[in-house]
Amino acid sequence: QSVLTQPPSASGTPGQRVTISCSGSSSNIASSTINWYQHLPGSAPRLLIYFNTLRPSGVPARFSGSKSGTSASLAISGLQSEDEGDYYCAAWDDSLNGPVFGGGTKLTVL
Amino acid sequence: QLQLQESGPGLAKPSETLSLTCTVSGGSISSSDYFWGWIRQAPGRGLEWIGTIYYSGRTYYTPSLKSRVTISVDTSNNQFSLRLTSVTAADTAVYYCARQGESSSWYDSWGQGTLVTVSS
Repeated sequence: QSVLTQPPSASGTPGQRVTISCSGSSSNIASSTINWYQHLPGSAPRLLIYFNTLRPSGVPARFSGSKSGTSASLAISGLQSEDEGDYYCAAWDDSLNGPVFGGGTKLTVL
Repeated sequence: QLQLQESGPGLAKPSETLSLTCTVSGGSISSSDYFWGWIRQAPGRGLEWIGTIYYSGRTYYTPSLKSRVTISVDTSNNQFSLRLTSVTAADTAVYYCARQGESSSWYDSWGQGTLVTVSS
């Protein structure tokens, strides 16, 4: 069981906007910055959002992140078929003294 | 461009030791700005942090594996390594190495991952 809680699945049709939630506690999400990773089949995980809201070079602007209290969200607008894959949130946990990940959300583009 | 590549046996027997190496190219493992981590993903499960090392040799391990894990660094060869002792089937996973920020869940460069199966 993962320290951070994500819905196991999410779906949308091309062009739609989908949101993936990530829930934690005062020892992780509330006290650290959140990072999001995209894990496509057969590829290494890719940093998608860092420091809650920032996008690395090369990540399209249709990916956005937010954080409030002990929860965070990843939003994907203008959904595309190539977005299909797994998405993970991550945060530093003060109790663990290490990073913790969500269980992952499998995104399906219908 | 920074690249990381995991290497090591893809099969380990129960009770034996799993050993993997991560070779870093396109950047120096001795950079004072970064840490280096190992993360794994068991079949059907999410990502799990194993441990982290700084070029000085300072290490941090996840508590659940701490008694069995050793991470070391070889700055002369720009590599860092993972040893996991007394493995069981539960240690079957894809193992990733990655560059990490200090006290952070930020990993900006990842290896492709290597599947290690624990089986007799």
